[in-house]
Amino acid sequence: EVQLVESGGGLVQPGGSLRLSCAGSGFTFSTYAMSWVRQALGKGLEWVSGISGSGGSTHYVDSVRGRFTISRDNSKNTLYLQMNSLRAEDTAVYYCATLGSTFHYWGQGTLVTVSS
Amino acid sequence: DIQMTQSPSAMSASVGDRVTITCRASQGISDYLAWFQQKPGKVPKRLIYAASSLESGVPSRFSGSGSGTQFTLTISSLQPEDFATYYCLQHNSYPLTFGPGTKVDIK
Repeated sequence: EVQLVESGGGLVQPGGSLRLSCAGSGFTFSTYAMSWVRQALGKGLEWVSGISGSGGSTHYVDSVRGRFTISRDNSKNTLYLQMNSLRAEDTAVYYCATLGSTFHYWGQGTLVTVSS
Repeated sequence: DIQMTQSPSAMSASVGDRVTITCRASQGISDYLAWFQQKPGKVPKRLIYAASSLESGVPSRFSGSGSGTQFTLTISSLQPEDFATYYCLQHNSYPLTFGPGTKVDIK
């Protein structure tokens, strides 16, 4: 059974940092591109960042470029999102997901709250 | 970046109604378009992939069509469990982009 389990969310002050993790199991992790998608309370879905299966190619939405870094450790079957210089508007549930046409799974999400 | 628009943004409908939601891309995306259903507090659920392919286990009253820049999600006969918010997603090119959503509620 394919599983994606996020962790690392929590309360952080504006300007602070947080690292999210997503542990994958039940599939060959290194084969698939991965993404982070977020959703602020009561708002729509926003794709945040993506990374190729090898980790050699990364992509970001403009609002997080330069502040967030996506990475993966295929030996540990784990995806990461390092979030620096956090702002109130980064408050959201963060999901990791594989968004391919033929291989499509989402985790349950982890809540990040940026507040003083 | 490819912008996705959806219409309507919200609608009220009755059980048994035929519902159509439209998604438009600012440039051609071939058929790299998926539709999701989301209920409050739940993870989004994919209904349609490759613009018109029905996800396994999804009722056949859901269908998708379109290619290029204009896409449609149709619910042929709305059921009580279908009241939710629907999103489209283009995955033709980065950054991936979701539509703003269409909330379907009970008339």
